[in-house]
Amino acid sequence: GQSLEQPSEVTAVEGAIVQINCTYQTSGFYGLSWYQQHDGGAPTFLSYNALDGLEETGRFSSFLSRSDSYGYLLLQELQMKDSASYFCAVGGSQGNLIFGKGTKLSVKP
Amino acid sequence: DADVTQTPRNRITKTGKRIMLECSQTKGHDRMYWYRQDPGLGLRLIYYSFDVKDINKGEISDGYSVSRQAQAKFSLSLESAIPNQTALYFCATSDRTGTSYEQYFGPGTRLTVT
Repeated sequence: GQSLEQPSEVTAVEGAIVQINCTYQTSGFYGLSWYQQHDGGAPTFLSYNALDGLEETGRFSSFLSRSDSYGYLLLQELQMKDSASYFCAVGGSQGNLIFGKGTKLSVKP
Repeated sequence: DADVTQTPRNRITKTGKRIMLECSQTKGHDRMYWYRQDPGLGLRLIYYSFDVKDINKGEISDGYSVSRQAQAKFSLSLESAIPNQTALYFCATSDRTGTSYEQYFGPGTRLTVT
């Protein structure tokens, strides 16, 4: 089967850096994605890692280590608008996605 | 206009009633999905469809059925609604890349079964 683990909640202050970790167990690996969801909103795609290493998109970066079955999302220069839930997701063997339970990030002034 | 739309946005229904949630997309994507979201449980896949003639069960398909009427339309039905189907339902689409890692979500339908 496939499962993902990520912290349920993280709190940080405006301007800081925060890292949201995700560990996964899969029967086959097809990449790790990250999504953001604001309260009351729809999930939106942030990033995707198929290979080991760091992918950077503006203030957000995502890292993958396939040997450790581990990845993280790094958010820099935190802003109040970054308060949201963040989900990691792995690709399934049939082309679908399996999501983690999400990490609720609260950014304090 | 939104690329992925869902109707209705909110619905309250009674136990035992049949209800249909509809999803339409203008992105031209072949792949469409239905997810359910409950607090603390993330997004769980109900059904997915890779083209009009392809329908697949997801993690939690019991109690649900779907219909892919056209490339752009994918409907989810609850034949006999029960209270534990109260949840937020999302439709999503993706293109044909192998892992469908980038999905586009509709605004969601909040369903309450009393």
